[in-house]
Amino acid sequence: EAGVVQSPRYKIIEKKQPVAFWCNPISGHNTLYWYRQNLGQGPELLIRYENEEAVDDSQLPKDRFSAERLKGVDSTLKIQPAELGDSAVYLCASRLEMAGGSNEQFFGPGTRLTVL
Amino acid sequence: KQEVTQIPAALSVPEGENLVLNCSFTDSAIYNLQWFRQDPGKGLTSLLLIQSSQREQTSGRLNASLDKSSGRSTLYIAASQPGDSATYLCAVEDSSYKLIFGSGTRLLVRP
Repeated sequence: EAGVVQSPRYKIIEKKQPVAFWCNPISGHNTLYWYRQNLGQGPELLIRYENEEAVDDSQLPKDRFSAERLKGVDSTLKIQPAELGDSAVYLCASRLEMAGGSNEQFFGPGTRLTVL
Repeated sequence: KQEVTQIPAALSVPEGENLVLNCSFTDSAIYNLQWFRQDPGKGLTSLLLIQSSQREQTSGRLNASLDKSSGRSTLYIAASQPGDSATYLCAVEDSSYKLIFGSGTRLLVRP
């Protein structure tokens, strides 16, 4: 079974440029997460989708960040324009949420963004 | 606001030693607690998940315990090996289905 797929793995851009990250979750997983991980820190949630609906985007900087999950499968996270402080690893995770239980999230390898 | 703290931030041990990593959280209203491993430049690999109603979980040389009332979890690694060298992250899931992570413990197992 394929895991969570992310692309690109690395991206270097100049500040003020746009950038997009793509994630394909594990087949059948209804919930998808985008996290940002700064160096030496744990990941922090940016947005959570249940199917195609964004159910928690409270920590997404909406002035420059946007995300979509069309058809409830793969997802794109965009930053426009990028700032120096956006340099981080962007992680995607997915999970099959079931009523009455909680189970583990599976993470992709991440996209390492460097903004110059 | 839930806060997760991991101690120590870094740990270096000789091969074969048993070791304990600590995780504490401020709000006991959690759904579960998960331990992850992260290798340099890689994503997170789930090691163990403990439901809020459970006290511990075991997988091979790993054992994780959970004391929800005191807001603590430990990850015990038996007979450590150089291949265990990585960053270990603890995360709790809160009532909004969000994982809140600690900053991790960087483990180095010396041959």
